[in-house]
Amino acid sequence: DGGITQSPKYLFRKEGQNVTLSCEQNLNHDAMYWYRQDPGQGLRLIYYSQIVNDFQKGDIAEGYSVSREKKESFPLTVTSAQKNPTAFYLCASSAQETQYFGPGTRLLVL
Amino acid sequence: AQSVTQLDSHVSVSEGTPVLLRCNYSSSYSPSLFWYVQHPNKGLQLLLKYTSAATLVKGINGFEAEFKKSETSFHLTKPSAHMSDAAEYFCVVSDPQGGYNKLIFGAGTRLAVHP
Repeated sequence: DGGITQSPKYLFRKEGQNVTLSCEQNLNHDAMYWYRQDPGQGLRLIYYSQIVNDFQKGDIAEGYSVSREKKESFPLTVTSAQKNPTAFYLCASSAQETQYFGPGTRLLVL
Repeated sequence: AQSVTQLDSHVSVSEGTPVLLRCNYSSSYSPSLFWYVQHPNKGLQLLLKYTSAATLVKGINGFEAEFKKSETSFHLTKPSAHMSDAAEYFCVVSDPQGGYNKLIFGAGTRLAVHP
């Protein structure tokens, strides 16, 4: 099946801990994105990558980091500097201007 | 700058009745517009998109939307609601920035469908 996978579905973070969310796609898309979704709000862009080994900050990049070593993979690390990490995180990839989304990871703080 | 306003945060309909979810946009040029649907704890699924072809766009699951430039609107409709349509719906406009297509999301409309 072609698509975007995210893991884990639920993730728990302790105070001061860095955690990494996985995003993999087999759609052969060049561009990939990370969004954060809070209750009652639309999606906000954290980081995006248009090509391997290149990525750019989105609107709310503080406290997050990414890498893009492979076309298929775009992991997101939520660092201890992110003081309010509880949210639903969505990964997407795009062909031209249409973005396709993964199933999401819900991050909770212990 | 591009922006999107979804005029209703919640819409409630009875099963079998029409659905109307309203969206207005602001754009300095001819935009690309999208509707996505999100079921609880799921990712977003593309319902339909407008990219300057026909102004009436048909999507999946019986949904359609009409682009009206004079009203800067892109309302989503369905003739007859089904229980499975209960979800959150997002109107989205594309904002090209130096070769990167940024998506601007509305705040969402939660659709409830009652038996």
